[in-house]
Amino acid sequence: EAGVAQSPRYKIIEKRQSVAFWCNPISGHATLYWYQQILGQGPKLLIQFQNNGVVDDSQLPKDRFSAERLKGVDSTLKIQPAKLEDSAVYLCASSLWTAREQYFGPGTRLTVT
Amino acid sequence: TQLLEQSPQFLSIQEGENLTVYCNSSSVFSSLQWYRQEPGEGPVLLVTVVTGGEVKKLKRLTFQFGDARKDSSLHITAAQPGDTGLYLCAGGGSSNTGKLIFGQGTTLQVKP
Repeated sequence: EAGVAQSPRYKIIEKRQSVAFWCNPISGHATLYWYQQILGQGPKLLIQFQNNGVVDDSQLPKDRFSAERLKGVDSTLKIQPAKLEDSAVYLCASSLWTAREQYFGPGTRLTVT
Repeated sequence: TQLLEQSPQFLSIQEGENLTVYCNSSSVFSSLQWYRQEPGEGPVLLVTVVTGGEVKKLKRLTFQFGDARKDSSLHITAAQPGDTGLYLCAGGGSSNTGKLIFGQGTTLQVKP
């Protein structure tokens, strides 16, 4: 069974530029999560989808971050415009409905200069 | 706001030594998970505990959920270099949304 796929793996941009990350969850997993992991910290949930509906986006900085999961399968997370403090690893995870076990992708390491 | 605090934050030991990592909160969690994360990879689930006082063993790793479901520990016996990584605890709330609150992690280095 294929795991959670993410791309790109690495991205370097200048502040005020925009960037987008892509995630393809495990087949059949209805729930998809985007996390931000700053160096030295644990992952912080940005947004949770169940199928193509948003369950929780309370910690998503909505003035600059947006995410969508149009067909209830893959998802994109966008940052526009990026700030220096957005430098982090962005992790995507998926699970069966709201099952406790989440499966993570390898992440995208974003560096904002 | 639910928070999980892990201690220690960093641990460097020799191969063969034993160690314990702690995960503490003032909040009650419906479940507690432990993940291990290696550089350049996402976290990988090790175990889920759901019952207060529950103990689970995974080879040389022993996980315990506190009686009050506010804390947990991870004990590794005879650590090996392959155990090196970032250990994360994550608590599940009672809302049944699947949302997890992660601790800040414990970085373990096991030297051969």
